[in-house]
Amino acid sequence: GQSLEQPSEVTAVEGAIVQINCTYQTSGFYGLSWYQQHDGGAPTFLSYNALDGLEETGRFSSFLSRSDSYGYLLLQELQMKDSASYFCAVTSGSNDMRFGAGTRLTVKP
Amino acid sequence: DAMVIQNPRYQVTQFGKPVTLSCSQTLNHNVMYWYQQKSSQAPKLLFHYYDKDFNNEADTPDNFQSRRPNTSFCFLDIRSPGLGDAAMYLCATSTIGGGYNEQFFGPGTRLTVL
Repeated sequence: GQSLEQPSEVTAVEGAIVQINCTYQTSGFYGLSWYQQHDGGAPTFLSYNALDGLEETGRFSSFLSRSDSYGYLLLQELQMKDSASYFCAVTSGSNDMRFGAGTRLTVKP
Repeated sequence: DAMVIQNPRYQVTQFGKPVTLSCSQTLNHNVMYWYQQKSSQAPKLLFHYYDKDFNNEADTPDNFQSRRPNTSFCFLDIRSPGLGDAAMYLCATSTIGGGYNEQFFGPGTRLTVL
């Protein structure tokens, strides 16, 4: 079977750094993606990791360890607008992606 | 701008009355997906088209059908909506990928079943 686990909620203050972890179990792993979804909005792509290591895109970074079946999303210099749900998603096989349950991030002043 | 468009944004139907949701894309992507998302839950993949090839998820109810008449359009048909089918329905697209699989989502259609 396939499973993904991520924390349901995280709270942090403006300007802080927060890490959202994701562990997964799947066969035929291709890569791990992260999506952001604001309330009432559509998911938007943040990052994709197919290889081990850290990918940095502005204030957001994503990390993958294939041997540990683990990844994380790192958000730096948090802003109020970063309050949203963040989903990790596993791609296994061609064009087949499964979302985790999502982590609701609340950024406080 | 290239995009994924969903119509209507809000759809109200009656219990048991068939409804069709539509999705179009100007990205010329080969793959189109339909997801169902209920409140505070993850998007759940219903099915996807890889070009004309239809791929149904094992746990997608028979009540849900899809059509893709051409590259640009994809439809979700719910034959007999039940109260449990009230949800946000998201359409997404992606290119053929060797694993890189960024999906581009439309704004969604929120379905209400009375």
